[in-house]
Amino acid sequence: EVQVVESGGGLIQPGGSLRLSCAASGFTVSSNYMSWVRQAPGKGLEWVSGIYGGGSTYYADSVKGRFTVSRDNSKNTVYLQMNSLRGEDTAVYYCASSVVDGFDIWGQGTLVTVSS
Amino acid sequence: QFVLTQPPSASASLGASVTLTCTLSSGYSNYKVDWYQQKPGKGPRFVMRVGTGGIVGSKGDGIPDRFSVLGSGLNRYLTIKNIQEEDESDYYCGADHGSGSNFVYLFGGGTKVTVL
Repeated sequence: EVQVVESGGGLIQPGGSLRLSCAASGFTVSSNYMSWVRQAPGKGLEWVSGIYGGGSTYYADSVKGRFTVSRDNSKNTVYLQMNSLRGEDTAVYYCASSVVDGFDIWGQGTLVTVSS
Repeated sequence: QFVLTQPPSASASLGASVTLTCTLSSGYSNYKVDWYQQKPGKGPRFVMRVGTGGIVGSKGDGIPDRFSVLGSGLNRYLTIKNIQEEDESDYYCGADHGSGSNFVYLFGGGTKVTVL
């Protein structure tokens, strides 16, 4: 079955760090475009970051310099390292993959709450 | 600045049709747009991609035939015919956007569809 499963969310204080994981099965992360998309409570979707099969990485302006996307091909897993977290980073973080067109594979999401 | 604009809400009576609109910023009439469906408490689901020539590729897994798309000028449309209760969801459009050396993905604000 083609799927992705996120983990690593939780409650973190402002200024803290957290690493999210996205474990893929049924396809290879190194051959597909993988992204992180977040959704603040009651708000819409916001693309956060992406990593292409060739390794190029891109970020939304709102997280540039604070977040880093990476992958471990041996574990077929993509990561999002989040540093200097702020209250406005509070959201459900989804891992999404473009296997054919658009983001056609989504995980169930992991909640990140930034609060003191 | 590239943005995708969606009306915040739409409604239709059970069994009727509803058309959702996603409007691209001026100058980007060649862009393809992806449509997503999101039910409360769930992750998004890919519906299909649309360009000016209509659907690009295939519908997402399990998307019923009553969902269709069209593209014209700056507008990308998602039509739901014979709308059912299970179609009541938030619908988002999204698109890839390259700017200089940065490649991002942007979402519209979403349209909440209510089945009356």
